[in-house]
Amino acid sequence: KNQVEQSPQSLIILEGKNCTLQCNYTVSPFSNLRWYKQDTGRGPVSLTIMTFSENTKSNGRYTATLDADTKQSSLHITASQLSDSASYICVVSALTGGGNKLTFGTGTQLKVEL
Amino acid sequence: GAVVSQHPSRVICKSGTSVKIECRSLDFQATTMFWYRQFPKQSLMLMATSNEGSKATYEQGVEKDKFLINHASLTLSTLTVTSAHPEDSSFYICSARRQGSGGEQYFGPGTRLTVT
Repeated sequence: KNQVEQSPQSLIILEGKNCTLQCNYTVSPFSNLRWYKQDTGRGPVSLTIMTFSENTKSNGRYTATLDADTKQSSLHITASQLSDSASYICVVSALTGGGNKLTFGTGTQLKVEL
Repeated sequence: GAVVSQHPSRVICKSGTSVKIECRSLDFQATTMFWYRQFPKQSLMLMATSNEGSKATYEQGVEKDKFLINHASLTLSTLTVTSAHPEDSSFYICSARRQGSGGEQYFGPGTRLTVT
């Protein structure tokens, strides 16, 4: 069964600090891995997408890593801002006959405080 | 860009009534749209896959007669929650897969349904 697990479940950090969110997955056959940011009451917004051959990808203050051998990914946020407070969801895509099928993690709830 | 809109953003209805939620791809054509449900502090759960011009494919455990899906054009899919009950109260999110995007899904902003 395809699964995506994220840790920690929730996290509180001070503004300006860095943090790293983790994602472990058992999804096969692997197609790609995405990190999304979901603000409360809003739909998810894509931050990064990585395929099997990519180890790292950056989008501004967000840097995602992927280790396809250990099936782990991380999302590093630098110099956090209050607006970074949101749920961060790891989504792994499996390639099926009917197209990509997504498996969602339960998300890490990040709160950035003054 | 690839913008997906949903309407309404919030709806409150009485138990037993039906509610229709629209999902539109504003600047691209989407042969496939997806409907998700999200309960508080939980992840998105796929309800059904909607293909333009054909019947939707429902995930196991999702009642197709209760959640009617119509994908009448390449830019519009609708989800109708029939005979809504309080347990149907949830956050409903659609996504649209852009033609030729390699499977990329673009998510709408969601619709908060509250059944009283």
